[in-house]
Amino acid sequence: ELKVEQNPLFLSMQEGKNYTIYCNYSTTSDRLYWYRQDPGKSLESLFVLLSNGAVKQEGRLMASLDTKARLSTLHITAAVHDLSATYFCAVDMAYGNKLVFGAGTILRVKS
Amino acid sequence: GAGVSQSPSNKVTEKGKDVELRCDPISGHTALYWYRQSLGQGLEFLIYFQGNSAPDKSGLPSDRFSAERTGGSVSTLTIQRTQQEDSAVYLCASSSPYGGYTFGSGTRLTVV
Repeated sequence: ELKVEQNPLFLSMQEGKNYTIYCNYSTTSDRLYWYRQDPGKSLESLFVLLSNGAVKQEGRLMASLDTKARLSTLHITAAVHDLSATYFCAVDMAYGNKLVFGAGTILRVKS
Repeated sequence: GAGVSQSPSNKVTEKGKDVELRCDPISGHTALYWYRQSLGQGLEFLIYFQGNSAPDKSGLPSDRFSAERTGGSVSTLTIQRTQQEDSAVYLCASSSPYGGYTFGSGTRLTVV
């Protein structure tokens, strides 16, 4: 059974600092997704990673995928308050299969 | 449509009543998913539909929960004899073969 683990589950950062959220999964897959969720809102797609070594960047966020290590990272550069949200990673085995989520990382960026 | 549409956005129901939640996926997306998110929790998989294949119902928490997808498009999630523990946000998503899942805004269900 596919399992997805994120860490840390809670992250409090100072503005301007860098940090990384980790996402490990249990079964070989080369399909990984990152989402952002603001309080009371639905999920916003951040990154879709569909191959080993994939790296994508958007603003202060960069995501990468290492399928051999079954690991994805979401790196935050020079955090700003607007990045405060909950971040989820999710994995599926193939198109049309079940999407399994990690527990989420609550990020709080302090001024 | 441009996105995944869910209705109603909020539903308050009395314990023991039945409720129906609707999801209208993005046109052309053959895969449709239902998830549940309880307050402060992650996403719990409920059921998914892929084309004309039999749905994967492995996440439905009890036989009070059922879902159908008519004509390969709109889906309805039905909860019978609602209980207070059913209170949550129910999220629907659809996906295309080219990657990426698009989520609707969700239905917030409150059972009183």
